[in-house]
Amino acid sequence: KAGVTQTPRYLIKTRGQQVTLSCSPISGHRSVSWYQQTPGQGLQFLFEYFSETQRNKGNFPGRFSGRQFSNSRSEMNVSTLELGDSALYLCASSWDSHRNEQFFGPGTRLTVL
Amino acid sequence: AQSVTQLGSHVSVSEGALVLLRCNYSSSVPPYLFWYVQYPNQGLQLLLKYTSAATLVKGINDFEAEFKKSETSFHLTKPSAHMSDAAEYFCAGSPGNEKLTFGTGTRLTIIP
Repeated sequence: KAGVTQTPRYLIKTRGQQVTLSCSPISGHRSVSWYQQTPGQGLQFLFEYFSETQRNKGNFPGRFSGRQFSNSRSEMNVSTLELGDSALYLCASSWDSHRNEQFFGPGTRLTVL
Repeated sequence: AQSVTQLGSHVSVSEGALVLLRCNYSSSVPPYLFWYVQYPNQGLQLLLKYTSAATLVKGINDFEAEFKKSETSFHLTKPSAHMSDAAEYFCAGSPGNEKLTFGTGTRLTIIP
């Protein structure tokens, strides 16, 4: 089985721009979660989608949004980028819920200048 | 709410020595607990998981962890460290169908 894929792997944007990141889960997995990883804050949960519905949400501003398509692929969008949004964004998929192990993609490294 | 605490942001051990990475959890219900490893410029890889079937959980690369309810701990151990074990390790937990909470991570350095 192919693993979780994330595109693009690296991205450079400037403040005020918006960005869309993509995640393709493992085939058959219905849950996709997004995390932000920074040296200062560590791994922080952004949101989880299950069967096209947002099931859980972390404490991030409304500039961070996501969606899931019928094929379980997911996108996250960050609008009005700030310098502090520079981070590694990780996507993880699982079969059902957090009772099942999550399989992580390699991440998208976002740099905001 | 579930929280996970990792004691020690940096741990150094000599090659061949015992590896012990500490994790404590707080939860009002039996938790699901996981250990993940992250190598530089990569995503997280699952080492092992606890789902109440057995208190001693064996994972990949000779890692294991023991769930101790009385101590609310889920420490990760490996009998003999290899140079390839150098990485960052994350403990994570969830009470159930809720978001997974990660510890702050422990960077493991192996001394030749």
